[in-house]
Amino acid sequence: EVQLVESGGDLVQPGGSLKLSCAASGFNFSGAGMHWVRQASGKGLEWVGRIRSKVNNYATVYAASVKGRFTISRDDSKNTAYLQMNSLKSEDTAVYYCLTGDYVFWGQGTLVTVYS
Amino acid sequence: QPVLTQSPSASASLGASVTLTCTLSSGYSNYIVDWYQQRPGKGPRFVMRVGTGGIVGSKGDGIPARFSVLGSGLNRYLTIKNIQEEDESDYHCGADHGSGSNFVWVFGGGTKLTVL
Repeated sequence: EVQLVESGGDLVQPGGSLKLSCAASGFNFSGAGMHWVRQASGKGLEWVGRIRSKVNNYATVYAASVKGRFTISRDDSKNTAYLQMNSLKSEDTAVYYCLTGDYVFWGQGTLVTVYS
Repeated sequence: QPVLTQSPSASASLGASVTLTCTLSSGYSNYIVDWYQQRPGKGPRFVMRVGTGGIVGSKGDGIPARFSVLGSGLNRYLTIKNIQEEDESDYHCGADHGSGSNFVWVFGGGTKLTVL
């Protein structure tokens, strides 16, 4: 059974940083790309970015709204993907989901609140 | 990149049928779209993938046979027959576009389905 468990969500002040984790199990993590998607309260889904697998050189790509502030990484030895978020803004407040590269399996999400 | 348009809301009576529509912007009629179900307070759940030829691949885990898809022109449809209370959810559609550094994944605004 595929499982994705996000963690690391918290309250943070504008300009601050936070690192989210996504622990994966039940599939070949090292061979899979991983995405991050977020959802502000009462709003739709917004794609954040993607990291590809080692065979694709761990290539990353980001949404324009987070490019230059967010960084996706992974540790295949730990079956874990990460989302490093810097220079956080109030508009980054959302539930953050990780999901598999084929868009099928999602985690339960972790809440990030940026407040002043 | 494509723009995906969904009606904000829909409703149907218990036991009836409803069709939700995701419309791609002009020029993207060959695009494949994913449908997701999001129950209140939960993360999104993959329903199925649809192109102009109909379903692409398999339904998501646990998706009942009452759910079906169809694609025509710029429209991607999700039909739910014999609606049950547990079908009351937000339904999102998404499509990816581009490759490499130009990759993006876009979503429609979501449709809130109310079961009467």
